[in-house]
Amino acid sequence: GAVVSQHPSRVICKSGTSVKIECRSLDFQATTMFWYRQFPKKSLMLMATSNEGSKATYEQGVEKDKFLINHASLTLSTLTVTSAHPEDSSFYICSAELAGVGTGELFFGEGSRLTVL
Amino acid sequence: DAKTTQPPSMDCAEGRAANLPCNHSTISGNEYVYWYRQIHSQGPQYIIHGLKNNETNEMASLIITEDRKSSTLILPHATLRDTAVYYCIAGNTGNQFYFGTGTSLTVIP
Repeated sequence: GAVVSQHPSRVICKSGTSVKIECRSLDFQATTMFWYRQFPKKSLMLMATSNEGSKATYEQGVEKDKFLINHASLTLSTLTVTSAHPEDSSFYICSAELAGVGTGELFFGEGSRLTVL
Repeated sequence: DAKTTQPPSMDCAEGRAANLPCNHSTISGNEYVYWYRQIHSQGPQYIIHGLKNNETNEMASLIITEDRKSSTLILPHATLRDTAVYYCIAGNTGNQFYFGTGTSLTVIP
């Protein structure tokens, strides 16, 4: 199946710093990628839809200036958590749609665990 | 996306079939039913999807009722490695996928 890779898988940072998480589709092109966050023992919460070459679409309640998304190419989307605080600690997961198949099947990365001290 | 409801947890004996139900009574005509599972601290893994007809692949079978208001994921011979949270999603190409609470399946030795 199609492979989506995230990097880093784990990151620890100090409060006030910014952290960038990369999401790559390794063997296919993805015009659309999605970013989720997940708190312990909770379900995935959709944060935003990342569209190649255009601005991301954010879900209600998600601060776009806090979570910057860039989708500069058909194989790479990045999520930058700006001025991170401990409450931003979470598991961040990206997914990409396998374009052209016609059924909207999504492939997910392995997730990035952010810990803000 | 249509809202889906699933039982919060289920147990299944190893080697037996695991039948995971999902209700999606407000699903629209062009929305597919997708099943994913998530093993602890990993990204969700695609299992199967379908529109109207029952589907089977190497991992599981998907049974969709004729009115499409509910479906059942069947793992024919559950193993300990099938212990995970299973998510049922009703969605469509190019649209966002919204996850419900899922079913936490525990396969018991």
